[in-house]
Amino acid sequence: AQKVTQAQTEISVVEKEDVTLDCVYETRDTTYYLFWYKQPPSGELVFLIRRNSFDEQNEISGRYSWNFQKSTSSFNFTITASQVVDSAVYFCALSEASAGGTSYGKLTFGQGTILTVHP
Amino acid sequence: GAVVSQHPSRVICKSGTSVKIECRSLDFQATTMFWYRQFPKQSLMLMATSNEGSKATYEQGVEKDKFLINHASLTLSTLTVTSAHPEDSSFYICSAAGTGASTDTQYFGPGTRLTVL
Repeated sequence: AQKVTQAQTEISVVEKEDVTLDCVYETRDTTYYLFWYKQPPSGELVFLIRRNSFDEQNEISGRYSWNFQKSTSSFNFTITASQVVDSAVYFCALSEASAGGTSYGKLTFGQGTILTVHP
Repeated sequence: GAVVSQHPSRVICKSGTSVKIECRSLDFQATTMFWYRQFPKQSLMLMATSNEGSKATYEQGVEKDKFLINHASLTLSTLTVTSAHPEDSSFYICSAAGTGASTDTQYFGPGTRLTVL
């Protein structure tokens, strides 16, 4: 069975601080996909990133960066110079490969981390 | 990017009534749709997976006779909560994937907040 653990339930930081959200996953599949989503108070899920199990390159997108380490089954997310607009619930998710090998198999979500950025 | 809509965005109903939630892919053909449920301050839990023209596959613990899912076309899936009760109050989110859209990810709808009085 697949499992995603986000050990940090809530994080509170002051604007401009860097913050890292941890994500640890478990799966027996050799092909899988990892995701991060942002859920603002409106409730709509905002896609941030997708990574497949064969691509361990770290990625940076503006103030966001992701560190994927297969050896520790972790896929951590760092926000640099946080802003108030970053306040939201962040979910890490794991997807098995679908029958066609695509990334849209069913998703297993972590418990979510509530990030609050204070001005 | 691909767009998925849900209707209604909010619904309040009396206990014992049935509620239908629609999920539409607006600019691509959704061969697969997923339905998730999220209770307040909790994570999203997959309820069922539906492929166009086939019966939905329900996750363990989800009552298929209570949560009826129909995926009759490549752009529409519906979730009907039959004989709703207060414990069914939740945020229901659909996602869709298929041809015409990027295969990188599922695309999520904006969600439907159901309140059963």
